[in-house]
Amino acid sequence: ILNVEQSPQSLHVQEGDSTNFTCSFPSSNFYALHWYRWETAKSPEALFVMTLNGDEKKKGRISATLNTKEGYSYLYIKGSQPEDSATYLCACIYNFNKFYFGSGTKLNVKP
Amino acid sequence: EPEVTQTPSHQVTQMGQEVILRCVPISNHLYFYWYRQILGQKVEFLVSFYNNEISEKSEIFDDQFSVERPDGSNFTLKIRSTKLEDSAMYFCASSLRQGESSRGYTFGSGTRLTVV
Repeated sequence: ILNVEQSPQSLHVQEGDSTNFTCSFPSSNFYALHWYRWETAKSPEALFVMTLNGDEKKKGRISATLNTKEGYSYLYIKGSQPEDSATYLCACIYNFNKFYFGSGTKLNVKP
Repeated sequence: EPEVTQTPSHQVTQMGQEVILRCVPISNHLYFYWYRQILGQKVEFLVSFYNNEISEKSEIFDDQFSVERPDGSNFTLKIRSTKLEDSAMYFCASSLRQGESSRGYTFGSGTRLTVV
């Protein structure tokens, strides 16, 4: 079983703070990494799909980087807002059909 | 924005009963998946489905589980004789392409199955 790890497990920040969290994964036979944002009682929402070493993606205040050689990805949120509160899931693909998920980082942004 | 729809949102069933979880994937998607998350654990892959057949399944997906796409729109997961340990949130997902996708997979909001 491939182990995708996320840290920290939970994070509490003040509105306006910038924050980041990590997804680490086995680098051998890596194919792609997806970041999802998951609010309670809603569908996980795809944020980024990353495949190449050195990939950097940005969507508004959220960005992500990927290092496939050492097996990690960082997700950054600049100027956190209360609406950013959610669980951020990392999922890696090692063959075409199957994701291996991390446990998620639960972010709580206090106004 | 197209959505994957799952029904019911919550199902309670007695141990040993059969349950069918329903999903309506995005209409032009070709690949369909079921995942589940037992409370406090990671989301786990169950099965992928393409061209009306299972393309991959995990060790969790034993003979008690089956999937079908009966009418070209619904995608169902059946558990024949539920056990207490089947209690979990079950997610359906679909994608246009296999593996890499510029948009990622589209997930439904899940069915919470409680076996009592």
